[in-house]
Amino acid sequence: AQRVTQPEKLLSVFKGAPVELKCNYSYSGSPELFWYVQYSRQRLQLLLRHISRESIKGFTADLNKGETSFHLKKPFAQEEDSAMYYCALWRDDKIIFGKGTRLHILP
Amino acid sequence: KAGVTQTPRYLIKTRGQQVTLSCSPISGHRSVSWYQQTPGQGLQFLFEYFSETQRNKGNFPGRFSGRQFSNSRSEMNVSTLELGDSALYLCASSLDLRGYTFGSGTRLTVV
Repeated sequence: AQRVTQPEKLLSVFKGAPVELKCNYSYSGSPELFWYVQYSRQRLQLLLRHISRESIKGFTADLNKGETSFHLKKPFAQEEDSAMYYCALWRDDKIIFGKGTRLHILP
Repeated sequence: KAGVTQTPRYLIKTRGQQVTLSCSPISGHRSVSWYQQTPGQGLQFLFEYFSETQRNKGNFPGRFSGRQFSNSRSEMNVSTLELGDSALYLCASSLDLRGYTFGSGTRLTVV
């Protein structure tokens, strides 16, 4: 069965420090993976998708098929990055979400 | 352009009642998906509609149903409400079946 695992429920990082939000997936085919973000009192929104290999708000994510991972990274955390982050796998016309990681940026 | 609109924003219902939630997708988007978000289970897929046809369904009991109209608007219905149905129900629309745009959700409280 397809599964998305985000091992950390909460990650606290000091402002200016690097950020890495972990995501591992279980899927036998070629995955299409995404990161979604939900800021406080805002709607869930797409942060980035692996096929476009883009950098949004300084975040990047690289698909590692060997390790079945799609970790989200940012070199220098900013206070406005505090939010809930969801890794997601798309297949069969539906998105399977991980449980999410709450990123808390400390001043 | 207008985003995904969900109505109502908040609902309080009693156990045993039924409820209907509405979702208006972004103009031109023909795919509409529904998710249930709870603190314990996170985001769980309910169902997806495309051109009025349900193409995919998650692991929810038959009390949860939905439909899509010819203008792509979608409704979700939950019958015989249980306390455990209290959640934020999110609707998402998509043009290319991958990049979903989410609405603000309907927060349902069952008492």
